[in-house]
Amino acid sequence: DSGVTQTPKHLITATGQRVTLRCSPRSGDLSVYWYQQSLDQGLQFLIQYYNGEERAKGNILERFSAQQFPDLHSELNLSSLELGDSALYFCASSVGDRPSEKLFFGSGTQLSVL
Amino acid sequence: AQSVTQPDIHITVSEGASLELRCNYSYGATPYLFWYVQSPGQGLQLLLKYFSGDTLVQGIKGFEAEFKRSQSSFNLRKPSVHWSDAAEYFCAVVHPMEYGNKLVFGAGTILRVKS
Repeated sequence: DSGVTQTPKHLITATGQRVTLRCSPRSGDLSVYWYQQSLDQGLQFLIQYYNGEERAKGNILERFSAQQFPDLHSELNLSSLELGDSALYFCASSVGDRPSEKLFFGSGTQLSVL
Repeated sequence: AQSVTQPDIHITVSEGASLELRCNYSYGATPYLFWYVQSPGQGLQLLLKYFSGDTLVQGIKGFEAEFKRSQSSFNLRKPSVHWSDAAEYFCAVVHPMEYGNKLVFGAGTILRVKS
């Protein structure tokens, strides 16, 4: 158990809908990361937050947004969903925000867009 | 742009045999290098990492990796594979001077272990 909690584990929705994925980092970790894993794109970095502030951004679509709350949990919002958004979405956390940090991954949220 | 290549999509080894998983990177400078493992239905777990110094690094579960600057490689090895090592392995890099922590992952290598 990594200590990172993601909910829900599975999500099935329709095209055009909006969903929210939730992540609780390990106790004491200030950084939260979101990754997307799909068969065609592999593991893609989406976004990083550190202590409530956006720290780094990857190839995150404009239809996607995230935030980190004062209690350090994070939410990833996906809107106007398309079939191609079907993927496994991972959250990870680390103590700090440096490139040398060890990331602890949650077990992911499997999103299926029908 | 930086990239990570894992040339083997699948590898099958017999239990007790040695293992080497290949990883090559393309980067302007020597990045920080990582190996992560993903077991079915699980998140990724860090096996080992290399920042500088001794080019042979030891990790958890009996894994080691060797950094070779001349070949831009960071191959993962294990002298004797156990059935529980069956999983997907990801090599990853990050620029040491980059703001934030944007890990770039390779496509992964699926390891099958036959008894």
